[in-house]
Amino acid sequence: GQSLEQPSEVTAVEGAIVQINCTYQTSGFYGLSWYQQHDGGAPTFLSYNALDGLEETGRFSSFLSRSDSYGYLLLQELQMKDSASYFCALPTNAGKSTFGDGTTLTVKP
Amino acid sequence: NAGVMQNPRHLVRRRGQEARLRCSPMKGHSHVYWYRQLPEEGLKFMVYLQKENIIDESGMPKERFSAEFPKEGPSILRIQQVVRGDSAAYFCASSLGTASNEKLFFGSGTQLSVL
Repeated sequence: GQSLEQPSEVTAVEGAIVQINCTYQTSGFYGLSWYQQHDGGAPTFLSYNALDGLEETGRFSSFLSRSDSYGYLLLQELQMKDSASYFCALPTNAGKSTFGDGTTLTVKP
Repeated sequence: NAGVMQNPRHLVRRRGQEARLRCSPMKGHSHVYWYRQLPEEGLKFMVYLQKENIIDESGMPKERFSAEFPKEGPSILRIQQVVRGDSAAYFCASSLGTASNEKLFFGSGTQLSVL
């Protein structure tokens, strides 16, 4: 089976940098994805890592270490609108993805 | 260029009634997935469908739940004889393909409340 662990809550101040960690267990690894969800709305795709290292997309970056079964999402120059839930997920090559329970990020002024 | 459309946004049912949730995938997408989300929890996979075929229903309860994606029209998630424990947000997603780097595009969900 597959499982993912991530912290339930993280708090940071506007303008700061925050890192959301994710550890996973899987018998077959096809990559690690990240999604953002505001207030129970539609989750939206943020990033995907299949290889070790850092992928940067604007203020958001995602890191993967396959040997450690670990990844993180890095959010820089935090803004109030970044307050949301962030999910790491294990996709497969057969469509289905398994999601973690999510990390609620609260950005304070 | 509409995204994934789900309706209704909110659905209230009494115990024992049937719930029908509809999902139209993004234009050009032929892969549809249903997920369930309880408060403060992640998205739990239920079923993966292509047109007229159920590909993977490993996350769907064996009883009372069924899903279809007909040749014409939206995908339907049907819950018969609903119970209070079925109260949750149900999200539909679609994708262009099934490769691991394919993005899932989600709808806004249907919040089902069972009284």
